[in-house]
Order: sequence, then C-alpha cells, then structure tokens
Amino acid sequence: ILNVEQSPQSLHVQEGDSTNFTCSFPSSNFYALHWYRWETAKSPEALFVMTLNGDEKKKGRISATLNTKEGYSYLYIKGSQPEDSATYLCASTTSGTYKYIFGTGTRLKVLA
Amino acid sequence: NAGVTQTPKFQVLKTGQSMTLQCAQDMNHNSMYWYRQDPGMGLRLIYYSASEGTTDKGEVPNGYNVSRLNKREFSLRLESAAPSQTSVYFCASSVEGRGTDTQYFGPGTRLTVL
Repeated sequence: ILNVEQSPQSLHVQEGDSTNFTCSFPSSNFYALHWYRWETAKSPEALFVMTLNGDEKKKGRISATLNTKEGYSYLYIKGSQPEDSATYLCASTTSGTYKYIFGTGTRLKVLA
Repeated sequence: NAGVTQTPKFQVLKTGQSMTLQCAQDMNHNSMYWYRQDPGMGLRLIYYSASEGTTDKGEVPNGYNVSRLNKREFSLRLESAAPSQTSVYFCASSVEGRGTDTQYFGPGTRLTVL
C-alpha cells in the first residue's frame, strides 16, 4: 500500500448501532497513525494518535486499534448517536519526515 | 486563545489574479502546514514549514508560494490563479512537526477561481 486508504467511503447507521471502519496505511517505515473527527463546516479535530503495534485508544464511546505489521487501524463507535455524524479521517506518518498522509475519510451519518 | 485562524473565509478570483491566504497560530507551535481539500480526495499537503525560517514543498506545490513570516504566521500565495486551484484550503500547526504530534487546523478558506 502506497497511500492511506479508508473504507467504507460512507455509511448510514441507526441510532444505538455500533459501527467500525478501517484505515490502511503503508507499514514500511511506519511512525504514527492519527485519527481525526471532521464535522461539516468545521475543521478536523484530533481523536487519537497511536504508535505501537497492538496499541488501543479509547475516548468515551470511540476506540481505535492499531496493527503496524499489516498496516491497518480500526475505529469503533459503540452505541452511535446523531452527534457522532461526521467524517472520520486517518493520517499516517513515516519516520524521518514531517509529512502526514491523509486518507479520504469515512463519512458517517447516524439516523435518529 | 484562538488556536489557528485563517483569512479570508471565502474568496472568488478570476483566472490570472493573485492573492495571499493568511494563517496565524497563537499556540507557540514550531511547525505549520498548508493543505488543500478537493472532493473525493484527502487533504493534500501543499507546503510546510518545520520551523521558523524554513519551508519545504509538499505533495502539490505547483502554482503556490509560501512565506513563514515569523513563528506565528504562515502565508500561502497564488501568483496567477487557475481554475484548477479552486479548492478549500486549510492551514494547520503542530508543536514540532514530529510524526506523533497532533495537527491543529484552522477553519479553512473556500477559494473559487473563475
């Protein structure tokens, strides 16, 4: 994988459902993986940064896992609420560079 | 504490016109970035400044110039705007620009080039 890829591109879930999406990134020279939450008409806000293989982060109902050997991260949302509706971006960085490579995002819509 | 601010919020240009997008941060961050965001594409890095006095090209630098005026301010200039530069532009900053540092984003500038 040369780029950062996210799937699915978009999804709709019902309020109360749990959901998850994937970020795939280059595993060679991996340094860090970032997750951002981006609400419409606002700017991206940081959720997590992860660096170690097997790392897990949690903030309220949102959690993330990291597999650096195979180059993927999962973001989980438990009991989705309408206010979780947003685009979730991931970004990968490699060692020795200041450059963050962003995926195209997963657009989540939670239906009340 | 305003974080990262950008001006203007919206701008319409005619092909060939020039303009400068302004960005400022009040978090005492060393590193600053300019991205563009187009439909169906992720945020793409135009230029970045690892520290005051340095700038480097990102993924899509053609047609742009930057100036790191001081530690707080990082401007992006379009010398001769083209319709392909119609986009939403985001400025960001981080403490040091290490790959583990969180980037803090401004509200964006929506630019249309006719």
